[in-house]
Amino acid sequence: GQNIDQPTEMTATEGAIVQINCTYQTSGFNGLFWYQQHAGEAPTFLSYNVLDGLEEKGRFSSFLSRSKGYSYLLLKELQMKDSASYLCAVMDSNYQLIWGAGTKLIIKP
Amino acid sequence: GAVVSQHPSRVICKSGTSVKIECRSLDFQATTMFWYRQFPKQSLMLMATSNEGSKATYEQGVEKDKFLINHASLTLSTLTVTSAHPEDSSFYICSARTGGAGETQYFGPGTRLLVL
Repeated sequence: GQNIDQPTEMTATEGAIVQINCTYQTSGFNGLFWYQQHAGEAPTFLSYNVLDGLEEKGRFSSFLSRSKGYSYLLLKELQMKDSASYLCAVMDSNYQLIWGAGTKLIIKP
Repeated sequence: GAVVSQHPSRVICKSGTSVKIECRSLDFQATTMFWYRQFPKQSLMLMATSNEGSKATYEQGVEKDKFLINHASLTLSTLTVTSAHPEDSSFYICSARTGGAGETQYFGPGTRLLVL
């Protein structure tokens, strides 16, 4: 079956760095997405990785290793507004998005 | 980035009535739109994939006669929840794809439905 695993909840301190991991097992791979979702709102797109390596975009970076079925989202210089759920999604061979359950990130002052 | 709008943002209705939700791509043409449902503290669940000018493809377990989807143009898709019941209360989110199958999906702001 297809499976996306990510931690349920993480806590970090304002100004610090946090890494949210995502492991996947899917039928085929056509890219991995990270979305941010604040409570009560729809997801917003953060990043897309299809090749191995690190993609940096401001305070957020996303890493992919296809051979390991592994990705992480790295958030630097954490701000209180970064408190949200972070969703990992993999596009399978049928170009369907397979969603993880999301990681709730709590930022403490 | 690509902008997707949804209307209404929130709706309360009586059990047995029908509710229509609109999803529009504002600055791009969306050949494919997706409808998701999200229950509290759960991840997104894909309900159906909608291609412009053709019938929607529904996921297993989603009643196509209850959740009517129309994708009449490249910028508009509608979801109608027919004869809504309290268990249909949920957060309904649409997304639109800017290009081909491997392209990013951009999400609308969502519609919160409460059926009394």
